[in-house]
Amino acid sequence: DQQVKQNSPSLSVQEGRISILNCDYTNSMFDYFLWYKKYPAEGPTFLISISSIKDKNEDGRFTVFLNKSAKHLSLHIVPSQPGDSAVYFCAARARNYGQNFVFGPGTRLSVLP
Amino acid sequence: EPEVTQTPSHQVTQMGQEVILRCVPISNHLYFYWYRQILGQKVEFLVSFYNNEISEKSEIFDDQFSVERPDGSNFTLKIRSTKLEDSAMYFCASKVDNTEAFFGQGTRLTVV
Repeated sequence: DQQVKQNSPSLSVQEGRISILNCDYTNSMFDYFLWYKKYPAEGPTFLISISSIKDKNEDGRFTVFLNKSAKHLSLHIVPSQPGDSAVYFCAARARNYGQNFVFGPGTRLSVLP
Repeated sequence: EPEVTQTPSHQVTQMGQEVILRCVPISNHLYFYWYRQILGQKVEFLVSFYNNEISEKSEIFDDQFSVERPDGSNFTLKIRSTKLEDSAMYFCASKVDNTEAFFGQGTRLTVV
């Protein structure tokens, strides 16, 4: 039962261009969404989040968009830098179903110099 | 900057042995978690802990697993009798309230 999906296992982008990472979910009870970045042999690092009452949240080069009707969110990174190369996980929480986060399978982003 | 710390970074254990993974969450946090990631697979929720008790657990968290917060600072995950398929990166996480969780660097458990 894959409640959080990231259908692109990998993505390559040229340095300076926009990276768009996509995430779809099935559980309509999810009300809080997060993006984490993970380097090899390290723990996930929180990047940005969005509550279901918003449709956009921006933090520097990172913007998350939420389309509740489509059960879809995306992470935009502009401009992309080589240091952004990592695995990006989308995660979601359903407030009424406890406090744990359900993670997507991740998308490996490679930013090429 | 406060961080979640985990020890050891790598643990090798014989199948059938007990193993304890240790975590020190961020000091003012209230919710504690264990997640794991088997090589090449996604990050999976194991258990959450709040107010000195388990608040939620996944199907993975069977009777072989237990968690403890023995002294108000440490948060441990015990696997009673390890199996080969328990080999994974185990991540501890903590959070204050209805916000993001902060993850530790992980413990790589190898069962041989």
